[in-house]
Amino acid sequence: KAGVTQTPRYLIKTRGQQVTLSCSPISGHRSVSWYQQTPGQGLQFLFEYFSETQRNKGNFPGRFSGRQFSNSRSEMNVSTLELGDSALYLCASSLLPEDYGYTFGSGTRLTVV
Amino acid sequence: AQKITQTQPGMFVQEKEAVTLDCTYDTSDPSYGLFWYKQPSSGEMIFLIYQGSYDQQNATEGRYSLNFQKARKSANLVISASQLGDSAMYFCAMREGNDMRFGAGTRLTVKP
Repeated sequence: KAGVTQTPRYLIKTRGQQVTLSCSPISGHRSVSWYQQTPGQGLQFLFEYFSETQRNKGNFPGRFSGRQFSNSRSEMNVSTLELGDSALYLCASSLLPEDYGYTFGSGTRLTVV
Repeated sequence: AQKITQTQPGMFVQEKEAVTLDCTYDTSDPSYGLFWYKQPSSGEMIFLIYQGSYDQQNATEGRYSLNFQKARKSANLVISASQLGDSAMYFCAMREGNDMRFGAGTRLTVKP
């Protein structure tokens, strides 16, 4: 079966712009989580969605937002980009939020210049 | 407060030997799950092994085993018979309820 698909794989944006990243979970998975990975801060939790509802949110500013559609696909948006937003953004899906079987995508590498 | 600690930023191991990657955690919740993930240079996080806090036996998955010492709050990953393809970053993670946290990772390099 197809894995978690994240698009695009690479992205270069300038400061002040906004960006939207997409995540398609494994078919049948209804829970989607997003993480930001940087060399300095490591893996940090952004948000978790289940059945189109945000269940949990990490400690990130309001510039970071997300949503989940009825087909479980999820998008995250970052507005007014800053240099510090340069990171690998990883999406993970599971059948249910409590499942231990998180499956990650390959990530979107965002570079802000 | 740091909930997951991986004290080894980098580790080297000779091909075909075993290696242990350390992980300690902090929680007061009796119910939690512990995970190990592998991240090769491609960036994808690959799930390796899971241990539930109530599991009596140590988890094993092929060449991976988890040395779970609950009283010490330790969940070390043991990789037996290392292969060159095992060179990657390894992350320990803990899930308590809705909260999933990762350690800083250990970079494992397997030498031929």
